[in-house]
Amino acid sequence: DVKVTQSSRYLVKRTGEKVFLECVQDMDHENMFWYRQDPGLGLRLIYFSYDVKMKEKGDIPEGYSVSREKKERFSLILESASTNQTSMYLCASIGQGHGSNQPQHFGDGTRLSIL
Amino acid sequence: GNSVTQMEGPVTLSEEAFLTINCTYTATGYPSLFWYVQYPGEGLQLLLKATKADDKGSNKGFEATYRKETTSFHLEKGSVQVSDSAVYFCALTSGGSNYKLTFGKGTLLTVNP
Repeated sequence: DVKVTQSSRYLVKRTGEKVFLECVQDMDHENMFWYRQDPGLGLRLIYFSYDVKMKEKGDIPEGYSVSREKKERFSLILESASTNQTSMYLCASIGQGHGSNQPQHFGDGTRLSIL
Repeated sequence: GNSVTQMEGPVTLSEEAFLTINCTYTATGYPSLFWYVQYPGEGLQLLLKATKADDKGSNKGFEATYRKETTSFHLEKGSVQVSDSAVYFCALTSGGSNYKLTFGKGTLLTVNP
């Protein structure tokens, strides 16, 4: 079974801090995604990566950056955290060539609070 | 662009009641359709999927049929259990090589004993 592991379940940071959220998958997947989940808004795509060192903006990239130095790891970076970035963050992955009819595999999420 | 509209919750049912959560979509091309479920404190997991018109996805007593003529993918279960309490998301991908998912806003289901 695919395992997507997010480094923290809960995280509390202060306004202005630089925050790193880490995600690791163990199935050699090429594609990885970061979403944020907010009540009433569903899941919104922040960034995705389709290969090492490759990245593309999703629907709400402002205030975020990402890093993909190794295939198994995809990091989300909040350059200067703000209170409106308090949210649940979900990482997902899927392999190349699986076809668009295959599901993404999700981690358990990181609930981030910015004080 | 792609969009998914699903029934707003919350939905509260008694155990053994019939469940329907409506989902309609707008997409280019021929999308694949998914229902994901999120149990309390967990990430999303795939519940069922359908990849072409008239396909029926099913899992754990849940069913959804891909209706191209009405652009719908409604989720149904004949008899819900307390353990079905969760948030349900309808989603689609419309092909291409980036596997991007478009999600609905989610529907919170609470089942009371």
